[in-house]
Amino acid sequence: QSALTQPASVSGSPGQSITISCTGTSSDVGGHNYVSWYQQHPGKAPKVVIYNVSNRPSGVSNRFSGSKSDNTASLTISGLQAEDEADYYCSSYTSSSTPWVFGGGTKLTVL
Amino acid sequence: EVQLVESGGGLFQPGGSLRLSCTASGFTVSNYYMTWVRQAPGKGLEWVSLIYTGGDTDSAASVKGRFTISRDNSKNTLYLQMNSLRAEDTAMYYCARRYISGFHFDFWGQGTLVTVSS
Repeated sequence: QSALTQPASVSGSPGQSITISCTGTSSDVGGHNYVSWYQQHPGKAPKVVIYNVSNRPSGVSNRFSGSKSDNTASLTISGLQAEDEADYYCSSYTSSSTPWVFGGGTKLTVL
Repeated sequence: EVQLVESGGGLFQPGGSLRLSCTASGFTVSNYYMTWVRQAPGKGLEWVSLIYTGGDTDSAASVKGRFTISRDNSKNTLYLQMNSLRAEDTAMYYCARRYISGFHFDFWGQGTLVTVSS
C-alpha cells in the first residue's frame, strides 16, 4: 500500500482537462509545500512535471499545473494531447522516518 | 549535459547479493543528495535509499539492514549494495538526483532491472 493515495486511472478526450488527486497526511502533503508530480511513459524513466506543489520545470508545457488543499494535492492537465497519455505519480517530502513517499500512480488515457 | 547511467542488474538468487552502480556525468555526485527509487513490474514507484551531501544515509524500512547506499567521489558514482535478496526486491532500479535547492528529483537514469528468482 502506497503512502499517498491516487486514483488508479483517469481519462479524457483531446482538448479536455483532467485532474489527478493525491491524498496524504499532515506529515507529508499537508505539512510541506514539497509535492512533486512525475510523468512516466511506458519503458521510460520518470520525468518531473511539477515541483513544490505548483512550479513547472523549464521545458514543461504550461498545460500542466498543480495545487494543494490541506492533505490533498492535485495535478491538472488542460488541453489534453495524445502525448500526455502516461502514468503520473505524486511524491512528497515527509517529516516521518521515510523522507520521501510516492503515490501509487494514475494511468491517464487520452480517448 | 547531465547523465545518469545505471548498471549491475540481472538475475539473482534469493539470499544473494549484488551491487548496483550509477555513473554520473555533467555534475558532481557529492554536491547533491542522490537516491535510488525502484519500480516492481507493473507497479508504482518506491523510494529506497538516499545519501546526503555530508555522507549520511536514509533507507526505507523495507530494505533497512539489507541495502546500503554509498558513493565513490573519485569515480563520481553512486552505489547500492543489496544483500539478503528477496523475491519482492525484483524491480527496475533507478538512480536519481535531488534538485540542489528543492525537494524533487530532477534527473533520473534509465534504470537497471534486478530479478530475484531461483
